[in-house]
Amino acid sequence: GENVEQHPSTLSVQEGDSAVIKCTYSDSASNYFPWYKQELGKRPQLIIDIRSNVGEKKDQRIAVTLNKTAKHFSLHITETQPEDSAVYFCAASILKTNAGKSTFGDGTTLTVKP
Amino acid sequence: DAGVIQSPRHEVTEMGQEVTLRCKPISGHDYLFWYRQTMMRGLELLIYFNNNVPIDDSGMPEDRFSAKMPNASFSTLKIQPSEPRDSAVYFCASRDRRTSGANVLTFGAGSRLTVL
Repeated sequence: GENVEQHPSTLSVQEGDSAVIKCTYSDSASNYFPWYKQELGKRPQLIIDIRSNVGEKKDQRIAVTLNKTAKHFSLHITETQPEDSAVYFCAASILKTNAGKSTFGDGTTLTVKP
Repeated sequence: DAGVIQSPRHEVTEMGQEVTLRCKPISGHDYLFWYRQTMMRGLELLIYFNNNVPIDDSGMPEDRFSAKMPNASFSTLKIQPSEPRDSAVYFCASRDRRTSGANVLTFGAGSRLTVL
């Protein structure tokens, strides 16, 4: 089955700096890669996703890149703000199959220091 | 829509007791997932249903765990008997693959279980 590895496990940056979180996956059939943000004591919520037919996607201060050949994808947050502090999870899954289950990475705890 | 609704939000019980967690998915969503979250193991998929039918329960840790989905609007995760190592936050999530075309999960608020 799919295995997703996520690094780093913790990341601390100064407000205004950029943050990068990286994930690798093992199943070359995976073609959908969402990122979820989980604030302390709250539920995970989707913040951005990317399909395997594109290499990059941006939404304001966040972007995700995908390298299918190397089987890795990354989350980039620019101009970080204290409210970006949370645990971020990457995931991998296969679209359009009855499987459809998402395999999650172990999470990265991001702390943005004011 | 009120989103995915889970109950109870918090439960504290003693070892050996039966625990039942409940989930109401978003109306019209045809997939329902149960995840367990701990510091040590992160987010683990326990089981998921499609159109009320269990598809993959390979993540269910032991026979003490069971899950049912009697209809499209209700699912339960039961632990009997409970043990201290079952202490975790249990999330229910639902998904509508038909309209979104993507595997976007909407999570409930979670049920925090503490087994003493």
